[in-house]
Amino acid sequence: EAQVTQNPRYLITVTGKKLTVTCSQNMNHEYMSWYRQDPGLGLRQIYYSMNVEVTDKGDVPEGYKVSRKEKRNFPLILESPSPNQTSLYFCASSFGGIFNSPLHFGNGTRLTVT
Amino acid sequence: DAKTTQPTSMDCAEGRAANLPCNHSTISGNEYVYWYRQIHSQGPQYIIHGLKNNETNEMASLIITEDRKSSTLILPHATLRDTAVYYCIVRVSNTNAGKSTFGDGTTLTVKP
Repeated sequence: EAQVTQNPRYLITVTGKKLTVTCSQNMNHEYMSWYRQDPGLGLRQIYYSMNVEVTDKGDVPEGYKVSRKEKRNFPLILESPSPNQTSLYFCASSFGGIFNSPLHFGNGTRLTVT
Repeated sequence: DAKTTQPTSMDCAEGRAANLPCNHSTISGNEYVYWYRQIHSQGPQYIIHGLKNNETNEMASLIITEDRKSSTLILPHATLRDTAVYYCIVRVSNTNAGKSTFGDGTTLTVKP
């Protein structure tokens, strides 16, 4: 089944403890992206990747890192999480530059930083 | 990026057509209009997209005005399961094709 898989679904951590949220897609998509969703703020893009070894900042990249060493995986790294990074996170993928290709979203990761 | 404007919320009676408007007055000639929906806190789901012609698929119809400054998503026979947040977005130009911006969307409530 074609899908975008995020892990974990739920994560509670403490301030400053490094964490990684994984994202994997099995559709051979070139494009992948991370979003965070907060009440009243819609979906905001954190980072995106047009292809392997190509990443770029979205609208809210501060405090996050990403890597794209292989086509199927696009992990989101929080080196030193803070409470303001408590949010619902979504990974998405599509063919090409999403110019004419729909985004496929994962089921989300709910992160709580205490 | 072209910014979109949608009403915050709408109601619709079950079985009736739901018409969700979206304004995108600064859309560029090569930008597509996309619609997604999000049920509860699940990942957004793609519905339909178009450039300038009207489009229809098994889920919905998309009507784009001739000047492309606005569009309407039509759910022809809304059901209770169509209650969701609906997002209208436009794809950015080729020079920065990777970015995408979602607004707050329209919360559609389908009532029995």
